[in-house]
Amino acid sequence: LAKTTQPISMDSYEGQEVNITCSHNNIATNDYITWYQQFPSQGPRFIIQGYKTKVTNEVASLFIPADRKSSTLSLPRVSLSDTAVYYCLVGDQDSGNTPLVFGKGTRLSVIA
Amino acid sequence: NAGVMQNPRHLVRRRGQEARLRCSPMKGHSHVYWYRQLPEEGLKFMVYLQKENIIDESGMPKERFSAEFPKEGPSILRIQQVVRGDSAAYFCASSPVAGGIYNEQFFGPGTRLTVL
Repeated sequence: LAKTTQPISMDSYEGQEVNITCSHNNIATNDYITWYQQFPSQGPRFIIQGYKTKVTNEVASLFIPADRKSSTLSLPRVSLSDTAVYYCLVGDQDSGNTPLVFGKGTRLSVIA
Repeated sequence: NAGVMQNPRHLVRRRGQEARLRCSPMKGHSHVYWYRQLPEEGLKFMVYLQKENIIDESGMPKERFSAEFPKEGPSILRIQQVVRGDSAAYFCASSPVAGGIYNEQFFGPGTRLTVL
């Protein structure tokens, strides 16, 4: 499994756009990039997944450059409720249902 | 459709007692995963089960820990003779048999185990 590296923590003011970058230099051809969000005292929840270029949903956007060695999760106009830990995961699509490998994630604190 | 349910939400045990954690997956999901999370750490995989089968237990300590997912009823994670180092949040996740977003697992709210 490709190892991921993310900043330990980030601070942002409400209303700003937040970009969290994840490095995965050893990503394999079959690997997808997935981000989970974990609020305090809750289990993680899936927010977005991509393979290359750009993916956007109602929660976030995911930017993946051509070499796929990194990815950036973008949260538009954050609010206090976006305070959470964000995990970047990389895994093999062909492995089917497999255990997730979490790093320490990035702790985002949104300030009023 | 109810989400993944775990109980109890909080569990306090004294050293040497047994802890039994329960997980009911989402309706229609037959894959269950257990993870452990220490404070300020990411989740660590413990065991992956399908109905009546353990698929992968590579993350489970060899002693004192066991898991099952019977044909009927919830999945159970059992910790015998608990020690203070077992204090952690234990999360259960489930996923469907096939289809859906790759790697999307649905997590329960967790059980916070405190060993005195």
